[in-house]
Amino acid sequence: QSALTQPPSASGSPGQSVTISCTGTSSDIGAYNYVSWYQQRPGKAPKLMIYEVGKRPSGVPDRFSGSKSGNTASLTVSGLQSEDEADYYCSSYAGSNNLGVFGGGTKLTVL
Amino acid sequence: QLQLQESGPGLVKPSETLSLTCTVSGVSISSTTYYWGWIRQPPGKGLEWIGSIYYSGSTYYKPSLKSRVTLSVDTSKNQFSLKLSSVTAADTAVYYCASGNPVFHWGQGTLVTVSS
Repeated sequence: QSALTQPPSASGSPGQSVTISCTGTSSDIGAYNYVSWYQQRPGKAPKLMIYEVGKRPSGVPDRFSGSKSGNTASLTVSGLQSEDEADYYCSSYAGSNNLGVFGGGTKLTVL
Repeated sequence: QLQLQESGPGLVKPSETLSLTCTVSGVSISSTTYYWGWIRQPPGKGLEWIGSIYYSGSTYYKPSLKSRVTLSVDTSKNQFSLKLSSVTAADTAVYYCASGNPVFHWGQGTLVTVSS
């Protein structure tokens, strides 16, 4: 049950788009369409931003979108805003009797 | 609106048992719609599933923690609990209770420090 691989950091200027990748294996991301993304601001609990690869919970701006290709999932934040600065974690289902796995997190900086 | 709130000691001595409770409000903990879990985050590090428990009582634990973890549900109090035995400094973390996977609902988190 290895962790998913994310870049440690990403950045962009206000108004730009940024994409964060999340690489897994054929046993997790590649096998299921159950990839989630969480946003975590300092000192706060994570917040679900994307689930089942590309679905957004109620209240999440449509500037946030998710996709998947093979063993790699991606989170794109369009029209960057200062409030988007946070840590982002991906997660994937990895089969029954399995809790699933998180990525190591990516710190997004809005320049 | 489903809400979760962790409670328990913020300081635990090495080799002792960490015990946390999560109080659920807004829904019945016996609901078949939800299942319940614990996630932790060591200071400055990423998220890690500890385990989950279903309304039926079925449990799933992270393999590396399985020998030390026990999850339980108290339907009379609408709470679920975590016990982690034989703790070491490596178990120092913010512990979150959570609902579902993906986790739509999180508790605010509680920092547990393992130190003598």
